[in-house]
Amino acid sequence: GQNIDQPTEMTATEGAIVQINCTYQTSGFNGLFWYQQHAGEAPTFLSYNVLDGLEEKGRFSSFLSRSKGYSYLLLKELQMKDSASYLCAVRDGGYKLSFGAGTTVTVRA
Amino acid sequence: TAGITQAPTSQILAAGRSMTLRCTQDMRHNAMYWYRQDLGLGLRLIHYSNTAGTTGKGEVPDGYSVSRANTDDFPLTLASAVPSQTSVYFCASSERGGDYNEQFFGPGTRLTVL
Repeated sequence: GQNIDQPTEMTATEGAIVQINCTYQTSGFNGLFWYQQHAGEAPTFLSYNVLDGLEEKGRFSSFLSRSKGYSYLLLKELQMKDSASYLCAVRDGGYKLSFGAGTTVTVRA
Repeated sequence: TAGITQAPTSQILAAGRSMTLRCTQDMRHNAMYWYRQDLGLGLRLIHYSNTAGTTGKGEVPDGYSVSRANTDDFPLTLASAVPSQTSVYFCASSERGGDYNEQFFGPGTRLTVL
């Protein structure tokens, strides 16, 4: 089975940095994804890690340690529009994704 | 390009009735998926299809069926709806053989079973 854990909620101030952790125990591993989902909308792709290390994309970075079953998503220079749910998902040996329950980030002025 | 479309946007259904949720993609992706999203549980895979003509069961397949007659369409059918099937349903698709093979999601269908 798949077990993917991430915090339920986080709150941060505009302009600050927030780190969302994700730990996983899965029967197979073929990559880890982060998705952003605004309330009432569909998830949209943010980042992908398959090798250990940091991937940077503008204000967003994602880190992976396969030996520790651990990833984090780092959001820098937070903006009000970053208020959303962030979903951690692990791909198994095929093409299916298993999702965590999501972390709701609230950005305050 | 429309990407993925789903219909209807929302629906209220009486328990025991049947319903088909429609999903169409115009990206010529091989793989398609159906998820349900419930508060506190995240996205859970119902059924998937790796290519036209094939389907497979996901994590929560009971009470649902799918078909994949062609590349573009992947309908999800509830044969006899029950209140526990009240949820938001997302269809997704992905290419195989690309760099990330990330899944692209449709806008969702909000279903309420009374």
